[in-house]
Amino acid sequence: NAGVTQTPKFQVLKTGQSMTLQCAQDMNHEYMSWYRQDPGMGLRLIHYSVGAGITDQGEVPNGYNVSRSTTEDFPLRLLSAAPSQTSVYFCASSYSPLVTDTQYFGPGTRLTVL
Amino acid sequence: AQSVTQPDIHITVSEGASLELRCNYSYGATPYLFWYVQSPGQGLQLLLKYFSGDTLVQGIKGFEAEFKRSQSSFNLRKPSVHWSDAAEYFCAVSSGNTPLVFGKGTRLSVIA
Repeated sequence: NAGVTQTPKFQVLKTGQSMTLQCAQDMNHEYMSWYRQDPGMGLRLIHYSVGAGITDQGEVPNGYNVSRSTTEDFPLRLLSAAPSQTSVYFCASSYSPLVTDTQYFGPGTRLTVL
Repeated sequence: AQSVTQPDIHITVSEGASLELRCNYSYGATPYLFWYVQSPGQGLQLLLKYFSGDTLVQGIKGFEAEFKRSQSSFNLRKPSVHWSDAAEYFCAVSSGNTPLVFGKGTRLSVIA
């Protein structure tokens, strides 16, 4: 049981490049989400999914796309990276969207956009 | 909408001393409250949570927190801090039907 895994751990992009941050969980969790963490800002929700085929926007969705074709995977796509997207990205999952279910976080991806 | 304020950006305590991290929330009804810890280079780990009932909740690693409705607070405490407690701590709130809203975090340093 690996929990929540994220790849890559580190990434450097140039402005305008695209990339996909991978997130996978092996706990059969229905709810998955992406956060970004910036210094002094805490964690802010980017997108979330309550099950395969269902996604929705969080607090800061602009510049990011997501899809949920399987229960296990929830990739985050940056179509045209900007320096403002330099951040640490965390994926999280829980059994259901209910906040009473514990969210499990991945180790994060540190992204730098030059 | 809910919001969370963690007034202290950085706190330094001596090993063995007691600790209290402050958290104030804004929400009209009874909130769902959480404390998470993030060790350097790691993801977040749930320390404890409050949904209802006893206002003093016990968590992992010897932490506890007390919900005070009159003060809109959910402060985290530990009677004796260990060097391994050095980390960043996040308070979070939800209405129950909405995603978690996190505070900006408090960084804890522990000195010998």
